[in-house]
Amino acid sequence: ETGVTQTPRHLVMGMTNKKSLKCEQHLGHNAMYWYKQSAKKPLELMFVYSLEERVENNSVPSRFSPECPNSSHLFLHLHTLQPEDSALYLCASSQVSTESNYGYTFGSGTRLTVV
Amino acid sequence: KQEVTQIPAALSVPEGENLVLNCSFTDSAIYNLQWFRQDPGKGLTSLLLIQSSQREQTSGRLNASLDKSSGRSTLYIAASQPGDSATYLCAVILSYFSSNDYKLSFGAGTTVTVRA
Repeated sequence: ETGVTQTPRHLVMGMTNKKSLKCEQHLGHNAMYWYKQSAKKPLELMFVYSLEERVENNSVPSRFSPECPNSSHLFLHLHTLQPEDSALYLCASSQVSTESNYGYTFGSGTRLTVV
Repeated sequence: KQEVTQIPAALSVPEGENLVLNCSFTDSAIYNLQWFRQDPGKGLTSLLLIQSSQREQTSGRLNASLDKSSGRSTLYIAASQPGDSATYLCAVILSYFSSNDYKLSFGAGTTVTVRA
């Protein structure tokens, strides 16, 4: 596989459930990101991992918990979510350095519905 | 804080017409700018990446220009087709940051409908 792969594509969960979103990149990039896209709103950056270290936690509620076990994998663990957390969750990766940036590659997203 | 604005929010044109999508940003100290396409309910597909030292990039029917001093980028799509119907997003990366990573600031997008 190539690019950035996200699973599952769709997820419906109750407010008391615990689930995880998975992202895998096959591009050799060294930074990975979680974005949230709600209806009629710009994309919101949630978390950034650079060289497997979290460098950004953009005021995200603790019911969202990221994990980056290695440079190719990124998870978003979900627990006790609210209906307003229903959104499209997008994973992205990029190659970062002080010398260059080749842009971002996004996955297809996970459509999350909290009931 | 970097603010990115895209005008218009929506655009409907007949097939064959050229499309002009505008993106403006408040902080001209950007590292690069990237245009994406998003189909309904799908992820983002990268269209063009313009480095801050460049004035434009071209790919097929797409051409994107960048004017850092005025804080503007324009995406041109020539001879539009119904398959071009999608939301087009502009994103900028700042040239200064607290750590060695790059973060995108997105506009809200322009939703394009090309009528057959």
